[in-house]
Amino acid sequence: EAQVTQNPRYLITVTGKKLTVTCSQNMNHEYMSWYRQDPGLGLRQIYYSMNVEVTDKGDVPEGYKVSRKEKRNFPLILESPSPNQTSLYFCASSLSGLGTAYTEAFFGQGTRLTVV
Amino acid sequence: AQTVTQSQPEMSVQEAETVTLSCTYDTSESDYYLFWYKQPPSRQMILVIRQEAYKQQNATENRFSVNFQKAAKSFSLKISDSQLGDAAMYFCAYRRNFGNEKLTFGTGTRLTIIP
Repeated sequence: EAQVTQNPRYLITVTGKKLTVTCSQNMNHEYMSWYRQDPGLGLRQIYYSMNVEVTDKGDVPEGYKVSRKEKRNFPLILESPSPNQTSLYFCASSLSGLGTAYTEAFFGQGTRLTVV
Repeated sequence: AQTVTQSQPEMSVQEAETVTLSCTYDTSESDYYLFWYKQPPSRQMILVIRQEAYKQQNATENRFSVNFQKAAKSFSLKISDSQLGDAAMYFCAYRRNFGNEKLTFGTGTRLTIIP
């Protein structure tokens, strides 16, 4: 089954304790992205990757890191989480069309992160 | 920068009736996509319908249809014969057709279905 898998689904942590949210896709997609969802703000892009070893900042990258060492995985790293990073996080992937064709974005199940 | 605006934070509709959710967007580009996503309580993001900007014909998917007004930069979603399972948060989203395939989302409209 084609899917994007995020782990964990729920996480409660304390301020300053490094954490990683994993994201894996089994569709051989080039493009992967992280979003955060906050009430009244919708979803906003944190980071994206257009292929292995190619990553770039989205709209709200402060306090986050990513890496793309393998095509299937795109972990989101919070090196020193703060309460303002409490949010619902989504990973998404798509087969990059590079403007030549539409490619649907597939979303993970979401990770609810609480930083206390 | 592109922006997407959903001016209705909440809407409600009687079961079997029709409801329209509003969305406006701002962009200087001519080639892009517009989407409506549904997010039920399970939090899963589900693609409801897609519209290519170069297509004049409004997209339809069963009970879901859009009214795409490119000049007015308006993209509303009509749900016909509303069902209890349609209750969810609905997000309007924009994506340009090149480069970063970022989805720019509106703030969402929570739809309640009244039995």
